[in-house]
Amino acid sequence: GENVEQHPSTLSVQEGDSAVIKCTYSDSASNYFPWYKQELGKGPQLIIDIRSNVGEKKDQRIAVTLNKTAKHFSLHITETQPEDSAVYFCAASTNTGGFKTIFGAGTRLFVKA
Amino acid sequence: DVKVTQSSRYLVKRTGEKVFLECVQDMDHENMFWYRQDPGLGLRLIYFSYDVKMKEKGDIPEGYSVSREKKERFSLILESASTNQTSMYLCASTEGQVGDYGYTFGSGTRLTVV
Repeated sequence: GENVEQHPSTLSVQEGDSAVIKCTYSDSASNYFPWYKQELGKGPQLIIDIRSNVGEKKDQRIAVTLNKTAKHFSLHITETQPEDSAVYFCAASTNTGGFKTIFGAGTRLFVKA
Repeated sequence: DVKVTQSSRYLVKRTGEKVFLECVQDMDHENMFWYRQDPGLGLRLIYFSYDVKMKEKGDIPEGYSVSREKKERFSLILESASTNQTSMYLCASTEGQVGDYGYTFGSGTRLTVV
């Protein structure tokens, strides 16, 4: 079946460093790619998203890139801060031939002060 | 601030009980969803609804049912709770066509079935 692979599962960085999380999807009909941040005891929160007609999108310290040919998309966090510590999920979504959103397994990011 | 509110943060129920999980959104969103989240298994879709009184099965609907009598409210029902339904349950909503926009999630209900 269709899936989304997310790497790494755990990532530890020093405060101020950059963090990169990568996802690969299998469904070529996917056209919407959101990223979520989940802090302890809370529901996931949408932090950035990208659509298939765009290659890159940036919002302050967060950026997402998409390579449709390779079916890869990545989350980049620059100048990391301790409050960036959380679990991050990618997802790939389509509504072609029926709705489907598939989530990655998540990346636990630790930012050390 | 837009919100999805789940009625309970923590629930403990006995095996065989009928359990109701309630979710309300204040954003006038068309679509509402129920997911469960388990370590190592990620987020799995149970049911979703794209309109009042409409429902669609997700990937793991067995043992669950849903009700959407009003646009803002989406209820998940465990007909006869079992221990393998112990999990974190997340409600979410989106605007527009299903799959076109990101989710707004509630804070979750952690259900323990004993």
